Amino acid sequence: AQSVAQPEDQVNVAEGNPLTVKCTYSVSGNPYLFWYVQYPNRGLQFLLKYITGDNLVKGSYGFEAEFNKSQTSFHLKKPSALVSDSALYFCAVRDGPAAGNKLTFGGGTRVLVKP
Amino acid sequence: GAVVSQHPSRVICKSGTSVKIECRSLDFQATTMFWYRQFPKQSLMLMATSNEGSKATYEQGVEKDKFLINHASLTLSTLTVTSAHPEDSSFYICSAPSQGGNTIYFGEGSWLTVV
Repeated sequence: AQSVAQPEDQVNVAEGNPLTVKCTYSVSGNPYLFWYVQYPNRGLQFLLKYITGDNLVKGSYGFEAEFNKSQTSFHLKKPSALVSDSALYFCAVRDGPAAGNKLTFGGGTRVLVKP
Repeated sequence: GAVVSQHPSRVICKSGTSVKIECRSLDFQATTMFWYRQFPKQSLMLMATSNEGSKATYEQGVEKDKFLINHASLTLSTLTVTSAHPEDSSFYICSAPSQGGNTIYFGEGSWLTVV
């Protein structure tokens, strides 16, 4: 069975400071890893994914994530946070690309960027 | 890019009635779609996998007779909440994998309130 853990319920950061949102995963095969962001009362917006290749993945809105196989982690990072980055962030894992393969989500991390 | 559309975005219905939520892939075909439920400030809970041309696959604990799923075409899946009760009030989100399966796109979600 696959699983995702986001150890922090909330992350507070001052605007302009680096932002890190942690994620660890467990999957039997090769992981397909995703980060999504959710603003209040909205659906999920895709930020980035790791399928294969470079361990450092760059995504939307200046976010990036680093795949670390030995630590089974896929932490989301942004060098300089904006107040508008305040939202709910979800990490998700999928065991391969088949259409029927389900996404398993972490519990979510609420990010609050203070001016 | 690929877009998944949900309708309605908000619906209020009376207890005992049924309500239908539509999920459409707008510029790609999706043989599989996923339906999630999300409670306030919580993560997404997968309810079922919708399969075009065949029966949906429900997750453990989800009542298939209450949450009817129909995947009528390669671009449309519907979720019908039958005999709705106030405890069915929630945020329902659908998703569809891109062709090739490397990315999963989400709809904007549908707020259901049962009064």
